[in-house]
Amino acid sequence: GIQVEQSPPDLILQEGANSTLRCNFSDSVNNLQWFHQNPWGQLINLFYIPSGTKQNGRLSATTVATERYSLLYISSSQTTDSGVYFCAVERVGDYKLSFGAGTTVTVRA
Amino acid sequence: NAGVTQTPKFRILKIGQSMTLQCTQDMNHNYMYWYRQDPGMGLKLIYYSVGAGITDKGEVPNGYNVSRSTTEDFPLRLELAAPSQTSVYFCASSYQGTGKVNEQFFGPGTRLTVL
Repeated sequence: GIQVEQSPPDLILQEGANSTLRCNFSDSVNNLQWFHQNPWGQLINLFYIPSGTKQNGRLSATTVATERYSLLYISSSQTTDSGVYFCAVERVGDYKLSFGAGTTVTVRA
Repeated sequence: NAGVTQTPKFRILKIGQSMTLQCTQDMNHNYMYWYRQDPGMGLKLIYYSVGAGITDKGEVPNGYNVSRSTTEDFPLRLELAAPSQTSVYFCASSYQGTGKVNEQFFGPGTRLTVL
């Protein structure tokens, strides 16, 4: 199956700092999603981004499909940004999402 | 729209017991999925369905069964619970079709412990 690697595995930030999370994948995809799993376990959709760039408030994402990676940017981090960020991809011709192991983000006040 | 709903939120089972996890979506999505998440890990696909009456296995189907008699509902059945099935279970749905954005949406999860 398709391999999804996220880096770094853990990230500790001071409130107000910026950061970049990376997702590499091993095959062509027709769906890529970023999720935030909050401390209560809920999975929140951040971006549907199989290619291109999108922004939503302090978060933005870029996927370069031809080079098989995606980046999630968090700017001016807040304590509410803490949690686990997952990248998930759907290989071309498939119907299922394959998840990376996640990046655990801790934002300290 | 309520989106994807799951019941129960929490459950403790004894080894060998059986139970059904319920999942309902009100977005008229044709695809539905069951995932499990073990501590510190990403999600793994158990089963999925491309429409009423059609189901297929994912990565980790052993010990589970599913059915899809309606578009809205996709229950997951555990027949003989084992400690290895202690996990958080997520149901998801999406609309797959020509010209459609096949974004998956997730329910709040069911936390299951098997003792």
